[in-house]
Amino acid sequence: KQEVTQIPAALSVPEGENLVLNCSFTDSAIYNLQWFRQDPGKGLTSLLLIQSSQREQTSGRLNASLDKSSGRSTLYIAASQPGDSATYLCAVRTSYGKLTFGQGTILTVHP
Amino acid sequence: GAGVSQSPSNKVTEKGKDVELRCDPISGHTALYWYRQSLGQGLEFLIYFQGNSAPDKSGLPSDRFSAERTGGSVSTLTIQRTQQEDSAVYLCASSLEAEDTIYFGEGSWLTVV
Repeated sequence: KQEVTQIPAALSVPEGENLVLNCSFTDSAIYNLQWFRQDPGKGLTSLLLIQSSQREQTSGRLNASLDKSSGRSTLYIAASQPGDSATYLCAVRTSYGKLTFGQGTILTVHP
Repeated sequence: GAGVSQSPSNKVTEKGKDVELRCDPISGHTALYWYRQSLGQGLEFLIYFQGNSAPDKSGLPSDRFSAERTGGSVSTLTIQRTQQEDSAVYLCASSLEAEDTIYFGEGSWLTVV
């Protein structure tokens, strides 16, 4: 059974810092991995999708890496801003339909 | 539409009543997913539709839960004889194909009293 763990559970940083969120998964037989953010009371917003054959993806200040063999992914956020405050979720797809989610990292960026 | 649309956004129902939750996926998306997020809990997979294939119902928690997708587009999640433990946010998502980026709606907040 696939299990996804995110570390840390919560993170508070001052504005401008670069930060790394970690995601690990137990079964390396994945199709892809996707990072989301969730604002309070809202749905999930897709940030980045990394296919199993890829090593990283970048979008603006975000960079996600994937090491499938070791079961790890990191989300790097450069020059953090208060607007980045949200819960960040990683999810792995081990079959066509099912995403297995981590519990999320609650990020607070204070001015 | 521009995104995944869900209705109602909020629903309060009495224990024992049936509820229907609706999802309009992004136009042209062949894959549709339902997830549930309970207070303080992670996201739980419920059901997945892909084109005309038989749906993957492996995540439905009991036979009180069912879902259908008509014409390969709109989907309805039905919960019969609701219980208090059914209170959660029900999130619908869609993707162009099975392995593509998944886009979520804003969710339907269900409270069973």
